[in-house]
Amino acid sequence: AIQMTQSPSSLSASVGDRVTITCRASQGIRDDLGWYQQKPGKAPKLLIYAASNLHSGVPSRFSGSRSGTDFTLTISSLQPEDFATYYCLQDCFYPRTFGQGTKVEIK
Amino acid sequence: QVQLQESGPGLVKPSETLSLNCSVSGGSISSDYWIWIRQPPGKGLEWLGYIHYSGSTNYNPSLKSRVTISVDTSKKQFSLKLTSVTAADTAVYYCARERAIGYHLGYHYFMDVWGKGTTVSVSS
Repeated sequence: AIQMTQSPSSLSASVGDRVTITCRASQGIRDDLGWYQQKPGKAPKLLIYAASNLHSGVPSRFSGSRSGTDFTLTISSLQPEDFATYYCLQDCFYPRTFGQGTKVEIK
Repeated sequence: QVQLQESGPGLVKPSETLSLNCSVSGGSISSDYWIWIRQPPGKGLEWLGYIHYSGSTNYNPSLKSRVTISVDTSKKQFSLKLTSVTAADTAVYYCARERAIGYHLGYHYFMDVWGKGTTVSVSS
């Protein structure tokens, strides 16, 4: 199975900060990667698909990019409602595999 | 707007079979892929498998032969069965819809609709 290595596992940031989360795939997955946000006690929500495509209704402060097998989720200006755990998911191969998650906490 | 709702027992005994249903409302089940994902307490997400509306399936090999996903289009629901459960199967179980969007090199996939999740504990 494809291994998705996500970093950092957690970070502390302030409202207004620029935040970057990275996922590295164990082999090439083209741009077949999505980013999901999960708040405590809630189901994950789709933010970005195909590495850089913003899902409908998702604020434009979220963006995604790819460089080879490295994928980045950027939040340009962190808002109070963005404090959550973020997961990457590769959808190139089966079984689908998630990164370990990044918890974004308030500094 | 499509909505999903999981249902099933919240407590299952070790060695027995976990059975969950996911009801689809507000849209058709006769398209797309229908997914089961779980999340053990305090841990990350694990993809369990999918069923396509055509009936084709794909399962996570980590579950070996314990998992079966089926669909009943007349009831607009799909189901998960996990046999020989242990405490390690204690988790929140989510159902989700996965859509495929075509482009020149193939398809992009994404899970855009999720159920709220249902907690299943395995204990005697």
